[in-house]
Amino acid sequence: NAGVTQTPKFQVLKTGQSMTLQCAQDMNHNSMYWYRQDPGMGLRLIYYSASEGTTDKGEVPNGYNVSRLNKREFSLRLESAAPSQTSVYFCASRAHSSPPLHFGNGTRLTVT
Amino acid sequence: GEDVEQSLFLSVREGDSSVINCTYTDSSSTYLYWYKQEPGAGLQLLTYIFSNMDMKQDQRLTVLLNKKDKHLSLRIADTQTGDSAIYFCAESINAGNNRKLIWGLGTSLAVNP
Repeated sequence: NAGVTQTPKFQVLKTGQSMTLQCAQDMNHNSMYWYRQDPGMGLRLIYYSASEGTTDKGEVPNGYNVSRLNKREFSLRLESAAPSQTSVYFCASRAHSSPPLHFGNGTRLTVT
Repeated sequence: GEDVEQSLFLSVREGDSSVINCTYTDSSSTYLYWYKQEPGAGLQLLTYIFSNMDMKQDQRLTVLLNKKDKHLSLRIADTQTGDSAIYFCAESINAGNNRKLIWGLGTSLAVNP
C-alpha cells in the first residue's frame, strides 16, 4: 500500500518553463489537496478537489492549474514558472468519513 | 481571524519528556491534529483529537486539549533522538460545505544525547 505518491521528487525549471506535478493515491480517498511549504510561511493550500470532477481554489491559487483526472490522480500544473514558485509542494488526500490528511513525500521545485 | 500559533524551537535531553504547545483562535474547530515532519520528508500524522475530548493517549504521546483557553499540547514521554523533527499543530474548522485546515508554523524539536 503506497499511500500518496508524488512525482518527480526534485525539479529545476527556468523562469517561463511549464511543468506538471503528479500525485496519485491508492487509498480510495475522495478528497485531494495541493499545498506549498515555504520557510516561515508554513503550509498554504493551493487547490483542492473535494471529489472526482470538482476542484476549488485554496489560499494561493494564482499561477497554478489543477486537474482531477480520476479518483486516484490529482495533478498540479505551472504554466509559466516564476522564481516565487520555488517551494516544496505536497499532495495530500483524505477519506470523506475520516478527518486526517495523508501526505506524499513532496516535490522540491526550484525556479531559476 | 483564524490563527494557530506555536513556539518555533524546543530543545530537550534524551530520555526527558517534551511538551509542545499550540494555541488557536477559532472556537468552531472540530478536530485538532499533530503532524511530524522529518528532514526531506512529508508530514506524518501523529495523532488527532476530537474537539469534545480533553485528552488522548497513544503510547508515548499524550495530547491535552483545553477548549476554554484554546490550548493544545503534545507530550512525548522518554524523548529519543529519532523524535527530532518539526511538529505541526493544525485545527480543522467548518467552512461552508467543506472543512478548512489552519496550520501552525511548526515547532522544531532538537533532542540532545
